[in-house]
Amino acid sequence: DTEVTQTPKHLVMGMTNKKSLKCEQHMGHRAMYWYKQKAKKPPELMFVYSYEKLSINESVPSRFSPECPNSSLLNLHLHALQPEDSALYLCASSQAWGGLTKQETQYFGPGTRLLVL
Amino acid sequence: AQKITQTQPGMFVQEKEAVTLDCTYDTSDPSYGLFWYKQPSSGEMIFLIYQGSYDQQNATEGRYSLNFQKARKSANLVISASQLGDSAMYFCAMREGTGNQFYFGTGTSLTVIP
Repeated sequence: DTEVTQTPKHLVMGMTNKKSLKCEQHMGHRAMYWYKQKAKKPPELMFVYSYEKLSINESVPSRFSPECPNSSLLNLHLHALQPEDSALYLCASSQAWGGLTKQETQYFGPGTRLLVL
Repeated sequence: AQKITQTQPGMFVQEKEAVTLDCTYDTSDPSYGLFWYKQPSSGEMIFLIYQGSYDQQNATEGRYSLNFQKARKSANLVISASQLGDSAMYFCAMREGTGNQFYFGTGTSLTVIP
């Protein structure tokens, strides 16, 4: 089963709100990712966690704060967002990270559509 | 330079026909992996097929096959017997042996016509 779940599906928030996006996988994958995707564009990598440690932060503004409580869960805490942060936020996981095999295949969740007013 | 190039912003195909979605890549790394994903309007990115740079044979997964031409640095996706449910955005992606990035192309929007 290659299932990654994300909650909520949709989120509307004001610029002063604090909210969190959640991602969960039960495939025993050791790497998890957050992507941001604008309409009709490819996903843009934000963060990579490998073995529950932050491995990559793609110069993401500090108003986005990732957290990996355990190997199955990944959160993205949002605070003081801007309207331009409105996008589809995708979580993904892969069996491995740092090698080069099919185990690097990333499996994505359904995403959270975020609207910042 | 673009790491992944998808030159077809939009494609149309008749139901039950085959269609080829183009993807070229740019890397000097001898080790790399190529991936295709499908993204319906619902948003989820669905993994379709993988090709490793050292794989001797072209990858196939059901109705999906990858036409891998290493010398030309192309990895075209072939969908046979198109179905209405194949209408979606398709992304080609690459991961190099060195470095940590997963490079996505700009995508091709496929519409299957009944």
